[in-house]
Formats: sequence, C-alpha cells, structure tokens
Amino acid sequence: DTEVTQTPKHLVMGMTNKKSLKCEQHMGHRAMYWYKQKAKKPPELMFVYSYEKLSINESVPSRFSPECPNSSLLNLHLHALQPEDSALYLCASSQGPAQETQYFGPGTRLLVL
Amino acid sequence: ILNVEQSPQSLHVQEGDSTNFTCSFPSSNFYALHWYRWETAKSPEALFVMTLNGDEKKKGRISATLNTKEGYSYLYIKGSQPEDSATYLCAPYYGNNRLAFGKGNQVVVIP
Repeated sequence: DTEVTQTPKHLVMGMTNKKSLKCEQHMGHRAMYWYKQKAKKPPELMFVYSYEKLSINESVPSRFSPECPNSSLLNLHLHALQPEDSALYLCASSQGPAQETQYFGPGTRLLVL
Repeated sequence: ILNVEQSPQSLHVQEGDSTNFTCSFPSSNFYALHWYRWETAKSPEALFVMTLNGDEKKKGRISATLNTKEGYSYLYIKGSQPEDSATYLCAPYYGNNRLAFGKGNQVVVIP
C-alpha cells in the first residue's frame, strides 16, 4: 500500500473558524511533510516531522499548527486564517530523510472567505 | 532560496511525437534529484530519484538523464500519449531534509 490519504478533499472556512486537515499513511514511513501549493507555483514546504517530532518549521505563521499524534497520522490545525491562505495543502511521507522518494496525498483544497 | 528552473514552462505535443524538457539547478552541495508527475486532481507521483553524474533512468516511455557537474537534468517522453498530459516537477535535494521544487513543465498531449 503506497497510498497517502488526506481529508477533507475540499474545505471552505471563514476567518474565525477552527478546522483541521488530516493525513494518514500506513507504509511505516518515519518522515511526514506538509506543503502549501498555490496556482502556477511549486509546492512550498511548511513542516517536516521526523519520528513523530517536528524537525522543520519553515517560519509558518502560528495560525497553522501541526500535530503528529502517531507515526501514521499527521494533522494541520487551522485557526484565524486569512484569505491569502487559500491554497492546496499537500501531505507527503517518506521512509527516511527527504532525499528518499516522497509519497504524496491528493491534497486538500482550502478556501478561506 | 535555490534557483531551480524548468523549461519550457508549458508545451503542447501532438500524440505520437516525442518531447523533452529541462530542469536546471545549482550544482554545489547536490545530493539527489527527484522527478514527479502530477496529473490534475491526482497526487504527485514519483518518477525517478537520481544521484550520480551520468545517471539515466527509464520508466516505460519516460526517461531522464542527470548532469551533476553542470546542474541539469533532461526528461524525455517518447511517443507521447494523452495520458502523459501532466505537470512534471523536478526537485533537487541538498542534504537539508527538504526538496527544492521547480515550477514544473506542464505538458498537454493533443490527440
């Protein structure tokens, strides 16, 4: 099973809402990633978890809060987002460090009103 | 911020024709290069990971070469088919636990 699943597929939220994005993999991968992707731009790394510990935070605003409850699950908690945060949020996992193949989920399309 | 350039940004190819495009990246401290294919509404799919200068990899009708000394990689599609329509992303890795994605080569195969 080389699948990474993400829920929900689409999300519309207001600027005062609190919501969460979920990502799951059952490949035994020890590294998990959150990316943000806007139209015509490359995926932009947000966070990296390695062995369930946050190893990289790319200076992401605190209104995005990642969580890794266990080795298979990665969440992204959203609070007080801005319209410019509307984007596709991709989750990925890899066996080890980023030099190894990353397996991506289909993404959550987020619209902030 | 690393300068990873992919050209051309978009291309239209007639079905059956072959095509190729380029990824240019800084060669200093290079570890590996990833290629991904990203079809609309699907997950990005890993195609190749290459590390050595002169590496060539092949997957069906798609192949890639790597020149680490001058910092470029070519991706080739032989006999393009409509299912090859996608954005092809290259991402070099420099040992800092993060991939540096280019903007992609958007390929449209015209039946």
